[in-house]
Amino acid sequence: GENVEQHPSTLSVQEGDSAVIKCTYSDSASNYFPWYKQELGKRPQLIIDIRSNVGEKKDQRIAVTLNKTAKHFSLHITETQPEDSAVYFCAASPDNFNKFYFGSGTKLNVKP
Amino acid sequence: SAVISQKPSRDICQRGTSLTIQCQVDSQVTMMFWYRQQPGQSLTLIATANQGSEATYESGFVIDKFPISRPNLTFSTLTVSNMSPEDSSIYLCSVASANEKLFFGSGTQLSVL
Repeated sequence: GENVEQHPSTLSVQEGDSAVIKCTYSDSASNYFPWYKQELGKRPQLIIDIRSNVGEKKDQRIAVTLNKTAKHFSLHITETQPEDSAVYFCAASPDNFNKFYFGSGTKLNVKP
Repeated sequence: SAVISQKPSRDICQRGTSLTIQCQVDSQVTMMFWYRQQPGQSLTLIATANQGSEATYESGFVIDKFPISRPNLTFSTLTVSNMSPEDSSIYLCSVASANEKLFFGSGTQLSVL
């Protein structure tokens, strides 16, 4: 099955700096790549996603890039704020969205 | 996005007992999934709950331990059977919406003594 690797496991940045989280996947059939934010004690929330026919997608301060050839995708957060502090998970979905496989998570700490 | 209600939100159970977790969605969905999230860990897919047929289990998970029901397109249950302390975890129901985005229920935090 699909194997999704994510790094770094922890990331600490100063407020206002940018943060980048990277993921790789193994199954070339994967064609949908969502990112989730999970605050302590809460459910994972979808923050942005990208499909395989697109190389980049932006939504205000967050963006995701995808390199299908290299099988990697990244989350970029600009102008970070303390409320961005959370655990972020990447995921990949092969098999026409019948399954979703998650990376190991990145704990982002934004220092005020 | 779909509204997903999951209950109980938490429970403390004795070793050897079973707990059934319910997941209710406010709209009909084709794909429902059950995930486990151990403390400080990622989300691991347990199984896909198929309406009208047996669930499809991931490697390492078996029906005898985690029986799943899916009687209709808005409801599913996951039972954690013959529990041990290693089953202490958060269990999350999730659904794929019509536009194929994945959303999660609020989770069930299970502690096994």
